[in-house]
Order: sequence, then C-alpha cells, then structure tokens
Amino acid sequence: NAGVTQTPKFRVLKTGQSMTLLCAQDMNHEYMYWYRQDPGMGLRLIHYSVGEGTTAKGEVPDGYNVSRLKKQNFLLGLESAAPSQTSVYFCASSLSGPPVYNEQFFGPGTRLTVL
Amino acid sequence: DQQVKQNSPSLSVQEGRISILNCDYTNSMFDYFLWYKKYPAEGPTFLISISSIKDKNEDGRFTVFLNKSAKHLSLHIVPSQPGDSAVYFCAALSGGSNYKLTFGKGTLLTVNP
Repeated sequence: NAGVTQTPKFRVLKTGQSMTLLCAQDMNHEYMYWYRQDPGMGLRLIHYSVGEGTTAKGEVPDGYNVSRLKKQNFLLGLESAAPSQTSVYFCASSLSGPPVYNEQFFGPGTRLTVL
Repeated sequence: DQQVKQNSPSLSVQEGRISILNCDYTNSMFDYFLWYKKYPAEGPTFLISISSIKDKNEDGRFTVFLNKSAKHLSLHIVPSQPGDSAVYFCAALSGGSNYKLTFGKGTLLTVNP
C-alpha cells in the first residue's frame, strides 16, 4: 500500500496563476482532508470530504476549492494564487468519522511558493 | 484564539532519559486528544491518543496523561531515543465537530546521543 500520496511535491507559482494539488489514497478511506501548515503554526483544516461527491469547508477555506469525484482522490484547487497561500499543504484520510474516532493518515506534503 | 497550546517550542533531552511534552487546551468541549509526530519533509504520523473518559493511555515507550480539570495533557517518552527527535503535535477533537482536528503549534524534541 502506498498510503496517501500527493502530487506535486514542490511548486512555485506567480500571483494570479492557478493550480490543482492531487491527493490519492489506496486504503479505501471514506474521509479525506486538506490542511495547510505555516511556519510556527499547527496544521489548519482547509476543506474536507466525508465521502465521494461530498465536500465541506474547514477552518480556512477562502481562496481554495475542492472536488471528490472519486473515492480515492481529493483535489485542492487554487483559482488565483496569492502570496498568502505560500505554505506546506498536507492531505490526510481516515477510515470513518464520528462517532468513531479514527486516526488520520497524512501524505508527505506539497510545498507551494507563490511569488 | 489558540485553543490548543504547546508552550514549549523545543525540548532537548539525553538519550535514555524521559521526555515530557506538554499541551494545554481551552475548549471544554474537546473530548478526544491525539499526539502526532512529524519528521522533516514528511507528513505527520499518528502516535497515541486518549479519550476524555480516561486519564492515562500507554503504548510501549509512550504514555499520554490527561488532567481534565486542569485542561492539560502530557506525552511521556521513556526511554528517549535519538530516533524520537521530531516535531510533536498535540491535537484535539470535540464531540460537536469531529471532522476538525485542532492542532497545537508543535514542540521540537531533540534527543542527544
């Protein structure tokens, strides 16, 4: 099992450009999440999905869109990148959600720089 | 408003000694707590968790203690090993919004040989 994989690992964008980050998991997990981590900060939830075809906003959703067309994939889109979106982005997945607590498995991260 | 606080940005201990990482929280609705470990250039990995109905959970060298009245939890690593050197994040879940893990800022643990 590859677990949770993220593509690309690194990316540099210019302000205003768009891009899509891809997250894939092969564990048949229902729940998937996108986080961002900034220097000196904990991880903050951007968007999440509780199943194929569903998405919901997290703590810091502005400037991002997501799609979950297939159970194993969760895409994070930046329509018009801004320097404030320079960050490390982590995708995670878990088998299920409440009321059962399951650990979240994280991908290796994508380091994005917006100039 | 930081609901999960790890007030020590870093901690250095000698190999074989005990490492104690601390975490405080302010939201009384949190009822499940997790510790994640993160190496550079990797994603966080789950380490250990504890439900609010318990005050201790043990897994090998790792023990998490929860003091609900003080809204405080701690992670003990005994004995510490150089491979334990990493950033440790405390995270919390509340019964009302279980999708959202609230993370602390992390503590960098360095275990010196």
